[in-house]
Amino acid sequence: ETGVTQTPRHLVMGMTNKKSLKCEQHLGHNAMYWYKQSAKKPLELMFVYNFKEQTENNSVPSRFSPECPNSSHLFLHLHTLQPEDSALYLCASSRLPGVRPLLSYNSPLHFGNGTRLTVT
Amino acid sequence: RKEVEQDPGPFNVPEGATVAFNCTYSNSASQSFFWYRQDCRKEPKLLMSVYSSGNEDGRFTAQLNRASQYISLLIRDSKLSDSATYLCVVNPDNYGQNFVFGPGTRLSVLP
Repeated sequence: ETGVTQTPRHLVMGMTNKKSLKCEQHLGHNAMYWYKQSAKKPLELMFVYNFKEQTENNSVPSRFSPECPNSSHLFLHLHTLQPEDSALYLCASSRLPGVRPLLSYNSPLHFGNGTRLTVT
Repeated sequence: RKEVEQDPGPFNVPEGATVAFNCTYSNSASQSFFWYRQDCRKEPKLLMSVYSSGNEDGRFTAQLNRASQYISLLIRDSKLSDSATYLCVVNPDNYGQNFVFGPGTRLSVLP
């Protein structure tokens, strides 16, 4: 399935590096999300973009910087990360209510295959 | 109380067994509910949405109990390939993007 694609699949970076995660969705959705999944913890919402506008920032440290140039692309820029930031980073998209064809409820999330990040 | 709670398991069942999971949610105004399945080290994949009237997809049946604020997932005739973590997801607001995930229930189907 190639509805939501993420690159890279795996990333190892030092604490002084700068890297970016990329996400692209081909589903015609208008909302995109970054989630973090650490070992043995529920998925944590990091950022939400609705029609390219950031609508949610869940108290994420500034060393994570999202960018959404259009409704199909989402980036997560990383710099000066800490070892505890090692996790699976998941991009997702959904279609919001009121968008043609009209929905009266929120569509489910569709996830990319994730980037497994290790910070050394 | 956590927003979405699940028994983490693991549930170890033999092939062919019927197994059921419950998930409780704290926000009584929640509108949309979903079950996702997540295999080890992979992304969550939508298993089914949960409708007010309940719904069935093959061996899987989902139910919603608004009065008691829980949803359930029933798996009949378990297969080895059903082994995974099952995530309960609640959206408190149809018009928002606040999907709240439970911690997941681990299922192992044994030969």
